[in-house]
Amino acid sequence: QQQVKQSPQSLIVQKGGIPIINCAYENTAFDYFPWYQQFPGKGPALLIAIRPDVSEKKEGRFTISFNKSAKQFSLHIMDSQPGDSATYFCAASPFPSGSARQLTFGSGTQLTVLP
Amino acid sequence: DVKVTQSSRYLVKRTGEKVFLECVQDMDHENMFWYRQDPGLGLRLIYFSYDVKMKEKGDIPEGYSVSREKKERFSLILESASTNQTSMYLCASSLPPPQGEQYFGPGTRLTVT
Repeated sequence: QQQVKQSPQSLIVQKGGIPIINCAYENTAFDYFPWYQQFPGKGPALLIAIRPDVSEKKEGRFTISFNKSAKQFSLHIMDSQPGDSATYFCAASPFPSGSARQLTFGSGTQLTVLP
Repeated sequence: DVKVTQSSRYLVKRTGEKVFLECVQDMDHENMFWYRQDPGLGLRLIYFSYDVKMKEKGDIPEGYSVSREKKERFSLILESASTNQTSMYLCASSLPPPQGEQYFGPGTRLTVT
């Protein structure tokens, strides 16, 4: 059972475009929504994260939009650059009941930004 | 600088072999995780550990076991490797809640023939 659905699977944009990656979740207990960026040959690295008490969070060119009622969140990359070409994963986690916060990941989006 | 290292980048094993994947973190993190990454499926949690000698099953623990004898080291064990365990294996570590950020190693690409 996939608890976090991510789309699209792949995305190609021109330099300067605004790619948008969408995720939807089912579990209303989720309270932490991070995005991870993975370059070839590397492990994923945290890019930006949001909690459900805000509808938007910006860090540099990266913005998360969050719609609690629709149970959806999305990543927008402003003024995209070829160096942004990577695989992006959304994730979600409930408030931890134990000693570790467990993340459920989406299936990933391979982004290519053309020069 | 935060660092998670994995013992091998590439590994080729035969069906039925016992396989050990090692992970070491230098951040004094309490929590450590093992995931497998497959195209179209994202990252799936196999096991995690919140303290030395403590472990919990993730979403797909079947066919795997883990060991954590020291705080900085977390091992994933495939007791009898099968071809459907061919995958990329990622180790991660994190601080205890409420912090959520997980720091990942570069991964081990395991091929079972």
